[in-house]
Amino acid sequence: RKEVEQDPGPFNVPEGATVAFNCTYSNSASQSFFWYRQDCRKEPKLLMSVYSSGNEDGRFTAQLNRASQYISLLIRDSKLSDSATYLCVAKNQAGTALIFGKGTTLSVSS
Amino acid sequence: GAVVSQHPSWVICKSGTSVKIECRSLDFQATTMFWYRQFPKQSLMLMATSNEGSKATYEQGVEKDKFLINHASLTLSTLTVTSAHPEDSSFYICSARASGGSQETQYFGPGTRLLVL
Repeated sequence: RKEVEQDPGPFNVPEGATVAFNCTYSNSASQSFFWYRQDCRKEPKLLMSVYSSGNEDGRFTAQLNRASQYISLLIRDSKLSDSATYLCVAKNQAGTALIFGKGTTLSVSS
Repeated sequence: GAVVSQHPSWVICKSGTSVKIECRSLDFQATTMFWYRQFPKQSLMLMATSNEGSKATYEQGVEKDKFLINHASLTLSTLTVTSAHPEDSSFYICSARASGGSQETQYFGPGTRLLVL
Protein backbone atom coordinates (compact mmCIF):
# COMPACT_ATOMS: atom_id res chain seq x y z
CA ARG A 1 0.00 0.00 0.00
CA LYS A 2 1.37 3.40 -0.97
CA GLU A 3 2.08 5.79 1.87
CA VAL A 4 0.03 8.59 0.41
CA GLU A 5 -2.86 7.87 -1.93
CA GLN A 6 -4.94 10.23 -4.00
CA ASP A 7 -7.60 9.95 -6.64
CA PRO A 8 -5.67 10.86 -9.80
CA GLY A 9 -8.68 12.41 -11.52
CA PRO A 10 -8.74 14.24 -13.79
CA PHE A 11 -11.32 16.58 -12.39
CA ASN A 12 -12.82 18.71 -15.14
CA VAL A 13 -14.87 21.61 -13.77
CA PRO A 14 -16.21 24.92 -15.05
CA GLU A 15 -15.00 28.23 -13.74
CA GLY A 16 -16.65 29.11 -10.47
CA ALA A 17 -17.18 25.52 -9.39
CA THR A 18 -16.25 24.12 -6.02
CA VAL A 19 -14.07 21.05 -6.11
CA ALA A 20 -12.75 18.78 -3.37
CA PHE A 21 -9.74 16.50 -3.38
CA ASN A 22 -9.19 13.67 -0.96
CA CYS A 23 -6.09 11.94 0.23
CA THR A 24 -5.30 9.14 2.67
CA TYR A 25 -2.01 8.31 4.32
CA SER A 26 -0.91 4.99 5.74
CA ASN A 27 1.66 5.96 8.37
CA SER A 28 -0.14 6.99 11.53
CA ALA A 29 3.15 8.38 12.86
CA SER A 30 3.22 11.13 10.22
CA GLN A 31 2.91 14.48 11.90
CA SER A 32 2.96 17.09 9.16
CA PHE A 33 0.92 17.36 6.02
CA PHE A 34 0.83 19.69 3.07
CA TRP A 35 -0.78 20.37 -0.25
CA TYR A 36 1.54 21.23 -3.10
CA ARG A 37 0.66 22.37 -6.57
CA GLN A 38 2.58 21.23 -9.62
CA ASP A 39 2.17 22.74 -13.05
CA CYS A 40 3.08 20.73 -16.11
CA ARG A 41 6.84 20.15 -16.36
CA LYS A 42 7.53 22.35 -13.36
CA GLU A 43 8.66 21.76 -9.81
CA PRO A 44 6.04 21.42 -7.04
CA LYS A 45 5.22 24.55 -5.05
CA LEU A 46 3.80 24.67 -1.57
CA LEU A 47 0.14 25.60 -1.59
CA MET A 48 -0.59 25.26 2.10
CA SER A 49 0.14 23.30 5.22
CA VAL A 50 -2.65 21.22 6.74
CA TYR A 51 -3.49 21.56 10.40
CA SER A 52 -5.68 19.38 12.59
CA SER A 53 -8.02 22.27 13.25
CA GLY A 54 -8.47 22.88 9.56
CA ASN A 55 -7.17 25.95 7.85
CA GLU A 56 -8.20 28.31 5.12
CA ASP A 57 -6.25 30.45 2.72
CA GLY A 58 -8.50 32.50 0.51
CA ARG A 59 -10.46 30.12 -1.71
CA PHE A 60 -8.57 27.09 -0.41
CA THR A 61 -9.52 25.08 2.68
CA ALA A 62 -7.55 22.13 4.00
CA GLN A 63 -8.76 19.61 6.54
CA LEU A 64 -7.02 16.81 8.41
CA ASN A 65 -8.71 13.89 10.13
CA ARG A 66 -6.05 12.01 12.07
CA ALA A 67 -8.44 9.28 13.22
CA SER A 68 -9.28 8.38 9.63
CA GLN A 69 -5.83 9.34 8.30
CA TYR A 70 -7.55 11.48 5.74
CA ILE A 71 -6.72 14.86 4.27
CA SER A 72 -8.80 17.06 2.03
CA LEU A 73 -8.47 20.19 -0.03
CA LEU A 74 -11.46 22.29 -1.04
CA ILE A 75 -11.19 24.89 -3.76
CA ARG A 76 -14.05 27.35 -4.03
CA ASP A 77 -14.85 29.58 -7.02
CA SER A 78 -12.40 27.78 -9.30
CA LYS A 79 -10.32 29.90 -11.66
CA LEU A 80 -8.73 28.91 -14.94
CA SER A 81 -5.36 29.45 -13.26
CA ASP A 82 -6.18 26.73 -10.72
CA SER A 83 -5.64 24.12 -13.44
CA ALA A 84 -2.73 22.03 -12.22
CA THR A 85 -1.89 18.82 -10.40
CA TYR A 86 -2.42 18.95 -6.65
CA LEU A 87 -0.08 16.82 -4.58
CA CYS A 88 -0.94 15.55 -1.13
CA VAL A 89 2.21 15.34 0.96
CA ALA A 90 3.07 13.82 4.32
CA LYS A 91 6.28 14.14 6.21
CA ASN A 92 7.98 10.79 6.76
CA GLN A 93 8.08 9.16 10.16
CA ALA A 94 11.52 10.54 10.93
CA GLY A 95 10.23 13.98 10.05
CA THR A 96 13.06 14.52 7.64
CA ALA A 97 11.61 14.16 4.17
CA LEU A 98 8.40 14.61 2.23
CA ILE A 99 6.35 11.72 0.86
CA PHE A 100 4.29 12.70 -2.13
CA GLY A 101 1.06 11.29 -3.45
CA LYS A 102 0.67 10.80 -7.21
CA GLY A 103 -1.35 13.95 -7.48
CA THR A 104 -4.85 14.85 -8.58
CA THR A 105 -5.20 16.69 -11.84
CA LEU A 106 -7.62 19.60 -12.04
CA SER A 107 -8.71 21.20 -15.26
CA VAL A 108 -10.86 24.32 -15.01
CA SER A 109 -12.56 25.45 -18.19
CA SER A 110 -14.39 28.60 -19.17
CA GLY B 1 11.12 33.36 -0.95
CA ALA B 2 14.26 31.30 -0.98
CA VAL B 3 15.66 30.27 -4.33
CA VAL B 4 17.05 26.92 -5.38
CA SER B 5 18.59 26.46 -8.79
CA GLN B 6 19.39 23.34 -10.75
CA HIS B 7 21.74 22.93 -13.63
CA PRO B 8 21.34 21.80 -16.30
CA SER B 9 17.61 22.12 -17.01
CA TRP B 10 17.73 19.54 -19.79
CA VAL B 11 20.14 16.77 -20.60
CA ILE B 12 20.08 14.46 -23.58
CA CYS B 13 22.83 11.90 -23.58
CA LYS B 14 23.85 8.55 -24.99
CA SER B 15 23.49 5.37 -23.03
CA GLY B 16 26.55 4.72 -20.88
CA THR B 17 27.31 8.37 -20.26
CA SER B 18 27.54 9.76 -16.74
CA VAL B 19 25.49 12.88 -16.05
CA LYS B 20 26.05 15.36 -13.24
CA ILE B 21 23.23 17.55 -11.95
CA GLU B 22 23.89 20.47 -9.63
CA CYS B 23 21.54 21.83 -7.02
CA ARG B 24 22.33 25.19 -5.45
CA SER B 25 20.65 27.21 -2.73
CA LEU B 26 21.18 30.76 -3.91
CA ASP B 27 20.28 32.90 -0.93
CA PHE B 28 20.41 30.59 2.05
CA GLN B 29 22.50 27.82 3.54
CA ALA B 30 21.11 24.32 3.34
CA THR B 31 22.43 21.65 5.66
CA THR B 32 20.04 19.17 4.10
CA MET B 33 19.14 18.68 0.47
CA PHE B 34 16.85 16.07 -1.00
CA TRP B 35 16.88 14.43 -4.41
CA TYR B 36 13.63 13.26 -5.99
CA ARG B 37 12.80 11.56 -9.24
CA GLN B 38 9.49 11.80 -11.05
CA PHE B 39 8.42 9.58 -13.95
CA PRO B 40 5.55 10.72 -16.19
CA LYS B 41 2.20 10.69 -14.39
CA GLN B 42 3.85 9.41 -11.24
CA SER B 43 4.53 10.99 -7.89
CA LEU B 44 7.83 12.44 -6.82
CA MET B 45 9.86 9.65 -5.30
CA LEU B 46 12.52 10.49 -2.75
CA MET B 47 15.84 9.03 -3.84
CA ALA B 48 18.17 10.23 -1.14
CA THR B 49 18.76 12.73 1.62
CA SER B 50 22.01 14.63 1.44
CA ASN B 51 23.58 16.21 4.50
CA GLU B 52 26.45 18.63 4.17
CA GLY B 53 29.76 17.02 5.00
CA SER B 54 28.45 13.49 5.40
CA LYS B 55 27.33 10.57 3.30
CA ALA B 56 23.92 10.64 1.72
CA THR B 57 21.12 8.43 3.00
CA TYR B 58 19.52 6.49 0.18
CA GLU B 59 15.95 5.26 0.05
CA GLN B 60 15.29 1.58 -0.35
CA GLY B 61 15.76 0.43 -3.92
CA VAL B 62 17.99 3.32 -4.95
CA GLU B 63 21.50 2.20 -5.88
CA LYS B 64 24.05 4.40 -4.20
CA ASP B 65 26.76 3.40 -6.67
CA LYS B 66 24.50 4.34 -9.55
CA PHE B 67 23.38 7.68 -8.15
CA LEU B 68 26.35 9.40 -6.56
CA ILE B 69 25.53 12.30 -4.29
CA ASN B 70 27.98 14.86 -3.01
CA HIS B 71 27.09 17.70 -0.64
CA ALA B 72 30.41 19.41 -0.20
CA SER B 73 29.16 22.81 0.86
CA LEU B 74 26.13 24.41 2.47
CA THR B 75 24.93 25.71 -0.88
CA LEU B 76 25.70 22.91 -3.32
CA SER B 77 24.72 19.29 -3.75
CA THR B 78 25.39 17.24 -6.86
CA LEU B 79 23.76 14.10 -8.19
CA THR B 80 25.71 12.05 -10.70
CA VAL B 81 23.86 9.41 -12.67
CA THR B 82 26.62 7.00 -13.59
CA SER B 83 26.47 5.01 -16.80
CA ALA B 84 23.00 6.26 -17.56
CA HIS B 85 20.56 4.01 -19.40
CA PRO B 86 17.22 4.78 -21.06
CA GLU B 87 15.33 3.67 -17.95
CA ASP B 88 17.06 6.47 -16.02
CA SER B 89 15.27 9.02 -18.19
CA SER B 90 13.21 11.04 -15.76
CA PHE B 91 12.62 14.41 -14.12
CA TYR B 92 15.10 14.91 -11.28
CA ILE B 93 14.22 17.53 -8.68
CA CYS B 94 16.18 18.66 -5.68
CA SER B 95 14.94 20.49 -2.64
CA ALA B 96 16.79 22.27 0.11
CA ARG B 97 15.91 22.84 3.70
CA ALA B 98 17.13 26.09 5.20
CA SER B 99 19.51 25.89 8.15
CA GLY B 100 17.97 27.20 11.34
CA GLY B 101 14.74 27.99 9.58
CA SER B 102 11.40 26.31 9.92
CA GLN B 103 11.89 22.57 9.92
CA GLU B 104 8.96 22.33 7.56
CA THR B 105 10.26 24.66 4.88
CA GLN B 106 11.72 22.97 1.84
CA TYR B 107 12.42 24.87 -1.32
CA PHE B 108 12.38 23.01 -4.61
CA GLY B 109 14.62 23.53 -7.57
CA PRO B 110 13.10 23.81 -11.05
CA GLY B 111 14.11 20.26 -11.92
CA THR B 112 16.32 18.63 -14.54
CA ARG B 113 14.90 16.57 -17.37
CA LEU B 114 17.17 13.71 -18.35
CA LEU B 115 16.68 11.80 -21.58
CA VAL B 116 19.00 8.89 -22.20
CA LEU B 117 19.02 7.61 -25.77
